[in-house]
Amino acid sequence: KQEVTQIPAALSVPEGENLVLNCSFTDSAIYNLQWFRQDPGKGLTSLLLIQSSQREQTSGRLNASLDKSSGRSTLYIAASQPGDSATYLCAVRGGGTASKLTFGTGTRLQVTL
Amino acid sequence: GAVVSQHPSRVICKSGTSVKIECRSLDFQATTMFWYRQFPKQSLMLMATSNEGSKATYEQGVEKDKFLINHASLTLSTLTVTSAHPEDSSFYICSAATGTGGGGYTFGSGTRLTVV
Repeated sequence: KQEVTQIPAALSVPEGENLVLNCSFTDSAIYNLQWFRQDPGKGLTSLLLIQSSQREQTSGRLNASLDKSSGRSTLYIAASQPGDSATYLCAVRGGGTASKLTFGTGTRLQVTL
Repeated sequence: GAVVSQHPSRVICKSGTSVKIECRSLDFQATTMFWYRQFPKQSLMLMATSNEGSKATYEQGVEKDKFLINHASLTLSTLTVTSAHPEDSSFYICSAATGTGGGGYTFGSGTRLTVV
């Protein structure tokens, strides 16, 4: 059974700092890995999608890496802003058509002024 | 990009009544949709996989008679919470595979259900 863990559970940083969120998974036989952002009381917004054959993806200030063999992914946020404050979730998708996602426990990020 | 629309965003109902939540894929067809439940400050828990034209597949521990799922078309899946009780109060979110872009999933905006 796939298990996904995110560290740290919560993080508070001053504006402007670069930060790294970590995600680890137990079964390396994944199809892809997706990073999401969730604001309080809202749905999920997809940030980055990494295929199992890829090592990283970038979008603006965000960079996600994937090391499938070691079961790890990181989300790097450059020059953090207060608007980045949210919960960040990673989710891995197993093989097979329309297979389900397994979510991590999430990292609650607060960027202070 | 692919959009999943979920309604209502909030609903308050009396104990013993039923509530229907709709999940629509607006610009793509979704053969499969997923329904999740989220408790405060916790991650998403998959409840069931909704398949167009066939019965839903429920995760272990989820009561299929309480959480009725119907996926009658390629763009609409519904979740009905039957005979709701206060312990069913939660945040419910649906998602669908977009079918393009490498197999990512798009999520609805969620429904906050409060049973009083």
